[in-house]
Amino acid sequence: DAGITQSPRYKITETGRQVTLMCHQTWSHSYMFWYRQDLGHGLRLIYYSAAADITDKGEVPDGYVVSRSKTENFPLTLESATRSQTSVYFCASSSPGRGTGELFFGEGSRLTVL
Amino acid sequence: GNSVTQMEGPVTLSEEAFLTINCTYTATGYPSLFWYVQYPGEGLQLLLKATKADDKGSNKGFEATYRKETTSFHLEKGSVQVSDSAVYFCALMTVGAAGNKLTFGGGTRVLVKP
Repeated sequence: DAGITQSPRYKITETGRQVTLMCHQTWSHSYMFWYRQDLGHGLRLIYYSAAADITDKGEVPDGYVVSRSKTENFPLTLESATRSQTSVYFCASSSPGRGTGELFFGEGSRLTVL
Repeated sequence: GNSVTQMEGPVTLSEEAFLTINCTYTATGYPSLFWYVQYPGEGLQLLLKATKADDKGSNKGFEATYRKETTSFHLEKGSVQVSDSAVYFCALMTVGAAGNKLTFGGGTRVLVKP
């Protein structure tokens, strides 16, 4: 019962470097999401995906790239990291259907950009 | 656009005190409403939900009623415990062609002292 796992849990990188955060879920959920959590802003949606090969921008997509070639994986890439991208990143998944709405979250990836 | 506003924390209480966290929302249509809880070092998990007006969600002694007339979904618990110390997020879900999307409030940190 692995659920949804994120890696790495902690990452320190430098400005300008490329970083990829991995997300893997074992439930075959259609929907997957990436949020960032920052003090004073709560959770903000970066990107989401309704199915393999279908992705769409959320509230704060600039500087991020996602892909979803397989249902179970939804990596998030920072192509050229900036200090403003220091944050805790949460991946989540859910099943479709009106009124269900329960998102299952990973434990988060704490990223520090120096 | 959709938005969720919740009271800022931190909220500090003594054990067995009454807890209320206010949440109001702005949305088109008829969203479903949720409360998520984040315990220290963990991802968010669903606490309770309500899918239509006047519904009451409840779980673990927490309750919230969907009030369409006041666009509110306030969270209450009659007698808190130290283990209720966490960050609480109010959220709304809209369903569209691109799938379900959750919009979160900024979170309210609750600290319960013995």
